[in-house]
Amino acid sequence: NAGVTQTPKFRILKIGQSMTLQCTQDMNHNYMYWYRQDPGMGLKLIYYSVGAGITDKGEVPNGYNVSRSTTEDFPLRLELAAPSQTSVYFCASSYPEGARPEQFFGPGTRLTVL
Amino acid sequence: GENVEQHPSTLSVQEGDSAVIKCTYSDSASNYFPWYKQELGKGPQLIIDIRSNVGEKKDQRIAVTLNKTAKHFSLHITETQPEDSAVYFCAASNPGNQFYFGTGTSLTVIP
Repeated sequence: NAGVTQTPKFRILKIGQSMTLQCTQDMNHNYMYWYRQDPGMGLKLIYYSVGAGITDKGEVPNGYNVSRSTTEDFPLRLELAAPSQTSVYFCASSYPEGARPEQFFGPGTRLTVL
Repeated sequence: GENVEQHPSTLSVQEGDSAVIKCTYSDSASNYFPWYKQELGKGPQLIIDIRSNVGEKKDQRIAVTLNKTAKHFSLHITETQPEDSAVYFCAASNPGNQFYFGTGTSLTVIP
């Protein structure tokens, strides 16, 4: 199993540009998450999904959008990039509620908005 | 929503000594408390976890304790080694599987 994979690893955007961060998991997990990690801070939840076709907002959803058309994929979309979105983005997946809810993280995408 | 506080933010110990990191949480509905280790340039990796119906759990040199009444939980690393140097995060999860993270502790083990 590859686990959770994210692309790209690094990206520089100009203000106002858009991009999609890709996330794929091959563990058949129902739950998937997107977090951002700012320097010296913990992870903040942006969006999460409990299954294909279902998404919900986390703590910091403004400026982002997600979709979940398949169990495996959970892309994160930035429509109008702003300097405040400079961060490291982590995707994670976990087993359904009731089982051991261990989260598995991808390696992250480092995004800089200039 | 849930608020997780973590202390200290940095910790330096001599190799072989013990390290303790403490977290508090606010939501009494939280029922799962994982600890993650994050090495430079990598995603967090689970090292140990505990459910709310358990008071203590141990895995070799790592242990976690939970006090539900006081709403705090702690990570204990004994016989620290240089490879334990990393950033450690605590987290609290509610029955809806939403995770709330502490701000991290940068642990340095001095050889």
